[in-house]
Amino acid sequence: AQSVTQLDSHVSVSEGTPVLLRCNYSSSYSPSLFWYVQHPNKGLQLLLKYTSAATLVKGINGFEAEFKKSETSFHLTKPSAHMSDAAEYFCVVSPTGRRALTFGSGTRLQVQP
Amino acid sequence: GAGVSQSPSNKVTEKGKDVELRCDPISGHTALYWYRQRLGQGLEFLIYFQGNSAPDKSGLPSDRFSAERTGESVSTLTIQRTQQEDSAVYLCASSSSSGSRYEQYFGPGTRLTVT
Repeated sequence: AQSVTQLDSHVSVSEGTPVLLRCNYSSSYSPSLFWYVQHPNKGLQLLLKYTSAATLVKGINGFEAEFKKSETSFHLTKPSAHMSDAAEYFCVVSPTGRRALTFGSGTRLQVQP
Repeated sequence: GAGVSQSPSNKVTEKGKDVELRCDPISGHTALYWYRQRLGQGLEFLIYFQGNSAPDKSGLPSDRFSAERTGESVSTLTIQRTQQEDSAVYLCASSSSSGSRYEQYFGPGTRLTVT
């Protein structure tokens, strides 16, 4: 079965410093991978997706993620955190042969002023 | 344009009662998904519709849960004889077609509390 593991439940950074949210996946095949963001009292929004094209994927709001097959990782990064980035972030895999998404347990990002 | 909408936004019910949750997908989206999010956890898949048929119901946790979709539009998730463990946010998503390359657009969710 395909799954994702988010290595940190909480990450706290200072405004203006880099963000790193870690995700490892488990898959026998090249999976489709996503990062979604959930702001308080708002719906989930797609940040970026990897579907076997370029391994470095750029998303919205300055976020990007790199697919590393050798490390089975898909970490989310941003060079400089903004207060508005504070939210819950989910790493997501689309299992082979299924249409639904499998979500990780989430990482809550706090941004300190 | 209008996104995915869900109603009600909040529902408090007594244990043992039945509840119906509604999802209005984006117009023209043929694929529709239901997920459940328990407090502090990621989303769990419940059921997926392609048109009005449900090729994947594997996530429904028990036979108390059912869903239907009519007119390739509105979907209703029904929970019978609710239990306290059913308390969660129920999220609906739609996409223009099925498959990983089609983005799923999520609604704001229905927060269900079973007392």
